[in-house]
Amino acid sequence: GIQVEQSPPDLILQEGANSTLRCNFSDSVNNLQWFHQNPWGQLINLFYIPSGTKQNGRLSATTVATERYSLLYISSSQTTDSGVYFCAVRSPETSGSRLTFGEGTQLTVNP
Amino acid sequence: SQTIHQWPATLVQPVGSPLSLECTVEGTSNPNLYWYRQAAGRGLQLLFYSVGIGQISSEVPQNLSASRPQDRQFILSSKKLLLSDSGFYLCAWSHGKGTSGRVNYNEQFFGPGTRLTVL
Repeated sequence: GIQVEQSPPDLILQEGANSTLRCNFSDSVNNLQWFHQNPWGQLINLFYIPSGTKQNGRLSATTVATERYSLLYISSSQTTDSGVYFCAVRSPETSGSRLTFGEGTQLTVNP
Repeated sequence: SQTIHQWPATLVQPVGSPLSLECTVEGTSNPNLYWYRQAAGRGLQLLFYSVGIGQISSEVPQNLSASRPQDRQFILSSKKLLLSDSGFYLCAWSHGKGTSGRVNYNEQFFGPGTRLTVL
């Protein structure tokens, strides 16, 4: 099945810094989503981005489907950005509608 | 707008006891429904998905089962819990085929989760 690799696994920032999270995947995809898991475990949808670029406030994401990677940019980070960021993908070859998740990036933003 | 509910939020159960977790979706019809499990705070694994009432597909062999008795209700069950069943269980939904309007059929939305501890 499709493999998803996220980097870095852990990231510590000072408030106000910028960061880039990366997601590599091993096959073509028809769904790619970025999530933020808050301290209570809730998965918050950030972007649905199987291709192209999107922006939402301080966050933006780019997926280059032909090269099989996606990037999540966080600018002017805040302490509330802390948590785990997941990339999840679905391949057209996958039966059903399974999303395959990466292992996540644990982000800590210090004041 | 659509909302997804899960209960209970937390559960502590002894080994060998039964389990029933419930998920309901509001604001949409004929959704696709999913049960995921997250262990040790990283990486989610799909357990079951359903494209309609009574239609369940299992992704991994395990001690759990799922049922969909109503269009917007998805239940995760076990007859006898094992220690290894501990984890964070999340229900998710996506638009089913035939949904009107501009929607992303593949995009999934998650509920608040149930934290299960088996002792």
